[in-house]
Order: sequence, then C-alpha cells, then structure tokens
Amino acid sequence: GAVVSQHPSRVICKSGTSVKIECRSLDFQATTMFWYRQFPKKSLMLMATSNEGSKATYEQGVEKDKFLINHASLTLSTLTVTSAHPEDSSFYICSPGGDGETQYFGPGTRLLVL
Amino acid sequence: AQTVTQSQPEMSVQEAETVTLSCTYDTSESDYYLFWYKQPPSRQMILVIRQEAYKQQNATENRFSVNFQKAAKSFSLKISDSQLGDAAMYFCGFSSNTGKLIFGQGTTLQVKP
Repeated sequence: GAVVSQHPSRVICKSGTSVKIECRSLDFQATTMFWYRQFPKKSLMLMATSNEGSKATYEQGVEKDKFLINHASLTLSTLTVTSAHPEDSSFYICSPGGDGETQYFGPGTRLLVL
Repeated sequence: AQTVTQSQPEMSVQEAETVTLSCTYDTSESDYYLFWYKQPPSRQMILVIRQEAYKQQNATENRFSVNFQKAAKSFSLKISDSQLGDAAMYFCGFSSNTGKLIFGQGTTLQVKP
C-alpha cells in the first residue's frame, strides 16, 4: 500500500498562533490530497481537497481562510491552521487521492490548542 | 449526496466468535467502491476490505468478509474467529471514482477474552 507520512504527529500551540501540518506521499505522485478532521470518538469528516498546482476545494462549513491548503508538488501537501483556537483542537488526517479504488491515510496529526 | 450510516455505536464479541457490523448507504451512482477501515487506538486508518459495486461476488480477506446487497444498499462486515487484536473502531466508507471517502459514524468493537 501507499506510504504516507505526516509531520508533526502531535503539536500543542497557544491560541492565536498558526500551525502547519505537512503530508507527504512517499511512494507515488498524488495530484490530489484529501484532508480530514476527526474529533474524539467521532468519524472522519472531509474538510477539503487539494489539487497540485491549483486552488483547494473546501467542503461546506469549512472556512478556507482559516484552513489554508497548499499542494505545491506531487508529493507534498500542507494544511495551515491559522489563528488557531481551542475549538480547532482535533486529529487531522491526510489521504492521497487515487482513482477511488483504495485510499491510504497518513498517521494523523493531533493538534491541541491551549 | 451520498450518505453512510452505521447504526451500531458499540458491539461486543467473545474471542473466537463471529460478529457482524452493519452499514447502509445511499447514493444515486451506479459505479462506486465500498470499504471497511479499522482504526485502532493509534488512530492509524487501516484498510480491512474493499468491494467494487459492479462485482456481485462478496469480497473476503482471510477472517473478514462482507455481505454486499446492492439493491438494499447494505454492506455489512463479518469478522470470524475474532481476536483480541480486532478490537478497534470500524468505519464503513463510500467512494466514487473521485477518491473522496464518506464515512459512517463508526462502530467500536470490543473483543472479550
């Protein structure tokens, strides 16, 4: 299966600061990257889809100015949580896009905003 | 819009026994994929089994098998000979050819020794 890495695995930050999460597709080129958010004991909810070289598309209710997504290369996509607040504390997971057959996931990033 | 529903928040099974996790979905598409993912305490999503909608034969992977009823839009997961390591949260997922996954609410499986 595809190897996907995320960095950092865990981050604690102060309210009002910005946090960048990196997602790397290590063994194949991902033209699309899906970003999910998961609250404790809840399901994964798709936040946005990033496309290499173009703007990301956001799901309804997700603030694009708060969650900045960049997909500058076929192996790297980043999610920046700007002016983070405690309610942004969550588990963020990336998943390189494929053809729909199988989706692999990164190990996730646990964000805690104090 | 597609939806996925898992109506069992929690399930429990005795070690070595069999358990079935339920999943229903709604879609107007005819070509799609269905998945079951396992999420252990590490929270890494692990693919358990995959089913292509155009295939009538139910997918199987060792102790894991599905009962895919396309007309009823039902996709249940059967775990045979349950092991302690099967304890986790299980998510049913739907994907069209875009690769975007829509998940159900999840079912927490407890395996009792």
